[in-house]
Amino acid sequence: AQKITQTQPGMFVQEKEAVTLDCTYDTSDPSYGLFWYKQPSSGEMIFLIYQGSYDQQNATEGRYSLNFQKARKSANLVISASQLGDSAMYFCAMRRASGGSNYKLTFGKGTLLTVNP
Amino acid sequence: NAGVTQTPKFQVLKTGQSMTLQCAQDMNHEYMSWYRQDPGMGLRLIHYSVGAGITDQGEVPNGYNVSRSTTEDFPLRLLSAAPSQTSVYFCASSLRGPTYEQYFGPGTRLTVT
Repeated sequence: AQKITQTQPGMFVQEKEAVTLDCTYDTSDPSYGLFWYKQPSSGEMIFLIYQGSYDQQNATEGRYSLNFQKARKSANLVISASQLGDSAMYFCAMRRASGGSNYKLTFGKGTLLTVNP
Repeated sequence: NAGVTQTPKFQVLKTGQSMTLQCAQDMNHEYMSWYRQDPGMGLRLIHYSVGAGITDQGEVPNGYNVSRSTTEDFPLRLLSAAPSQTSVYFCASSLRGPTYEQYFGPGTRLTVT
């Protein structure tokens, strides 16, 4: 079964500094997608960034980048120049494309990021 | 576009009662799913659908039923509510494939007493 591991239950970062949130995954499928979602205290799930298993370059979206190391099965989220509004729960997720998975999305347990002023 | 809508936002049930959580999307997405979120557990998949008339179980399906008669709607039925079903429930939809992000509804906070 596929599995997503986020080993940092909580992280603290100073405003304007960069922070890396860790994510490792376990799958034997060649084709999959990796996603990061943000959940602020208001509760909604916000899509941040996507990385495909066949993508040669790391994904970037504004201040978010994904450090994708396929051989290590890791997909860490890097937030540059942290802002107070970045304080939230962050979830890593994976979507498989084969093995009868029907594209199910599997989530990690999340990392709670707190940005200090 | 309204995106993914869920009703109600909050609900309190007594043990043994039944109810239906509503979910609708207006993006013509084939794929719809229901998750529950519990503290420290992330989001866990309850049921999903890859198109009208096609549903399947996820990771935690017991105590829940779904059906999908139209592309737009994907209701989740609690057959006989139990305190263990106290949770936040999210509905999501997407195009079908590994590269597409899921769009989430705002969630329903359910308390079973």
